[in-house]
Amino acid sequence: DTGVSQNPRHKITKRGQNVTFRCDPISEHNRLYWYRQTLGQGPEFLTYFQNEAQLEKSRLLSDRFSAERPKGSFSTLEIQRTEQGDSAMYLCASSLSVGANNSPLHFGNGTRLTVT
Amino acid sequence: QKEVEQDPGPLSVPEGAIVSLNCTYSNSAFQYFMWYRQYSRKGPELLMYTYSSGNKEDGRFTAQVDKSSKYISLFIRDSQPSDSATYLCAMIRSGGGADGLTFGKGTHLIIQP
Repeated sequence: DTGVSQNPRHKITKRGQNVTFRCDPISEHNRLYWYRQTLGQGPEFLTYFQNEAQLEKSRLLSDRFSAERPKGSFSTLEIQRTEQGDSAMYLCASSLSVGANNSPLHFGNGTRLTVT
Repeated sequence: QKEVEQDPGPLSVPEGAIVSLNCTYSNSAFQYFMWYRQYSRKGPELLMYTYSSGNKEDGRFTAQVDKSSKYISLFIRDSQPSDSATYLCAMIRSGGGADGLTFGKGTHLIIQP
C-alpha cells in the first residue's frame, strides 16, 4: 500500500493522559499535514511540514499539542494532558511541493481519539 | 459568514439519478478547487482537482468552476449506492500555502437502491 498510513486507527484515553499518533506519508511527498475533524465538520488545519521543517501552525494548535517530523519522513503528533474537547479524528495528509506548484493533498484514514 | 459554504444535507436521491453538489465561497483569492469523497470512518479521498473556470470530466464525475460567481459544483451521473458518502469541497489560495486549504462542512449524500 503506497498511500498515507496512520497508527493507531483508534485510541481511547482518560482525561489528563498523553497520547501520540504516527503518520507515514507517501514516500516521495515532501509536505506533511495534520488536520482535525469533528463530527459534521470538514477537516481543520493544524500544522504542516516541508521536509523536516515545521512551517505553519494553526491557532487551533494549543501548547499541549506538539508535532515532529525528525527525518523528513514519518511524523508524530503528541497531545499532552488530554481534554474531552480533544476527542476528534486526527487526519494526516501529504503532498509533493516543487517550486510554486503543490500537488493535491492525499489523506490517510485518520486516528480516532476518544477522551473519557 | 464562513469562507466556504456547503449544504450539509442529507441529500437523498434514487439510484441512476444525476446528483448535483455545490459550494460557494467568499474569498476571490481561492484559485485551486478540489472535491473529496469521505466514507464513514475513513479519510477524505481526492476525486477532482481543478484550477481554471469551466468543466473537468472524469468518468461519471464532472467538476465545474465559476470563479465570477464564486461557485463550484460536482455532478455525478448514473449515481450508484456505492456513491453514498460525504462529499467535501476544498480550495486553496494562490501561492498554495497550507493554511489556504479550506474545506466546506461536507454534504452527506444517500443513493437509494
